[in-house]
Amino acid sequence: DAGVTQSPTHLIKTRGQQVTLRCSPKSGHDTVSWYQQALGQGPQFIFQYYEEEERQRGNFPDRFSGHQFPNYSSELNVNALLLGDSALYLCASSHHYEQYFGPGTRLTVT
Amino acid sequence: DAKTTQPPSMDCAEGRAANLPCNHSTISGNEYVYWYRQIHSQGPQYIIHGLKNNETNEMASLIITEDRKSSTLILPHATLRDTAVYYCIVRGDNNAGNMLTFGGGTRLMVKP
Repeated sequence: DAGVTQSPTHLIKTRGQQVTLRCSPKSGHDTVSWYQQALGQGPQFIFQYYEEEERQRGNFPDRFSGHQFPNYSSELNVNALLLGDSALYLCASSHHYEQYFGPGTRLTVT
Repeated sequence: DAKTTQPPSMDCAEGRAANLPCNHSTISGNEYVYWYRQIHSQGPQYIIHGLKNNETNEMASLIITEDRKSSTLILPHATLRDTAVYYCIVRGDNNAGNMLTFGGGTRLMVKP
């Protein structure tokens, strides 16, 4: 079992650009959550997808959007990138009580 | 979800028990206590969770006070690989669908 995988590992973008991050959940998991982790802080919840619908959302602007596919994989899209969007973006998948996290995508906005 | 308070950092000697405290004085009756840890440059890793009884697994033990206002995560024989940030999280439902609210965590340094 490959666990939760994320791509790409690292990404550098310019202010104003758009970015798409991808996540493949652990086998058998149907729920995917996305978190943003700024340097030196704990992860902050962005949103969660279940059955291809956004089920919960944290305090993030509409520039952050997502999608879940029929195979449960998910994408996180961020439009009009700001310098403050530079962070580690974590994907977590779950089926019961335990959330399994991927290694994250390090996004740098210049 | 209830707020948690943890010391920002702790040291522990290799081979000794590491006891990481967490205060959650506003916890509600249906809220669980979860512990995750994050080793540098990796995603958080689930350790253990509990409601009111003490819990033990292959990684750690969780001791929850009778009034449930605080808990302690115990790593019985800390190794250098246990050096990480440990997060105590209170979550409203024993359901993986609910989001995790991370605080600052405790940075545990295990020293030889």
